[in-house]
Amino acid sequence: AQKITQTQPGMFVQEKEAVTLDCTYDTSDQSYGLFWYKQPSSGEMIFLIYQGSYDEQNATEGRYSLNFQKARKSANLVISASQLGDSAMYFCAMSRLGQGGSEKLVFGKGTKLTVNP
Amino acid sequence: DGGITQSPKYLFRKEGQNVTLSCEQNLNHDAMYWYRQDPGQGLRLIYYSQIVNDFQKGDIAEGYSVSREKKESFPLTVTSAQKNPTAFYLCATRLNTEAFFGQGTRLTVV
Repeated sequence: AQKITQTQPGMFVQEKEAVTLDCTYDTSDQSYGLFWYKQPSSGEMIFLIYQGSYDEQNATEGRYSLNFQKARKSANLVISASQLGDSAMYFCAMSRLGQGGSEKLVFGKGTKLTVNP
Repeated sequence: DGGITQSPKYLFRKEGQNVTLSCEQNLNHDAMYWYRQDPGQGLRLIYYSQIVNDFQKGDIAEGYSVSREKKESFPLTVTSAQKNPTAFYLCATRLNTEAFFGQGTRLTVV
């Protein structure tokens, strides 16, 4: 069953504007982590930001911030001052307990962001 | 340099043959993962491992096998039982709040 939902297959934003990429998740775990990755056309996966379920402050990394709303089970990525180089696929992921106490890392289907000049 | 090395970058396989994809890391991370990505799709989990000599099936393990004999290495074998193996394969490692990926291997069945 899909545990991470990214409802926006594609998003467009003007250069220098901010954009929000949506991510909702489903888990009954109390402890979990949320990640965002960027995948340019080259295929590499670039780690952007992490939010722990017990973190009270929203995570920020440079132009990236994670809008974490635990009660709504959402972990939206906000990119401020978009740049042309931000055009890529963006994936939301969640770590949760799997078999034998190991932690699984599961991904959503992604959002393709296009930044227009 | 610390990182994750996947090899080869491109791999061609004849139908009916097994093939092994390499994933090596020197980050000293405990957890390692294998994912499959199809065009326009997200990442689907094949296998994952938290410690040496232990691993679990992910969501699409059929037709694949792994081993974890060393902390640094987590090779993935795509067997002839995998009906549609052509895809982009990504290996990842994780330690607490850090999770990083290799450059990927693009497997094509010819």
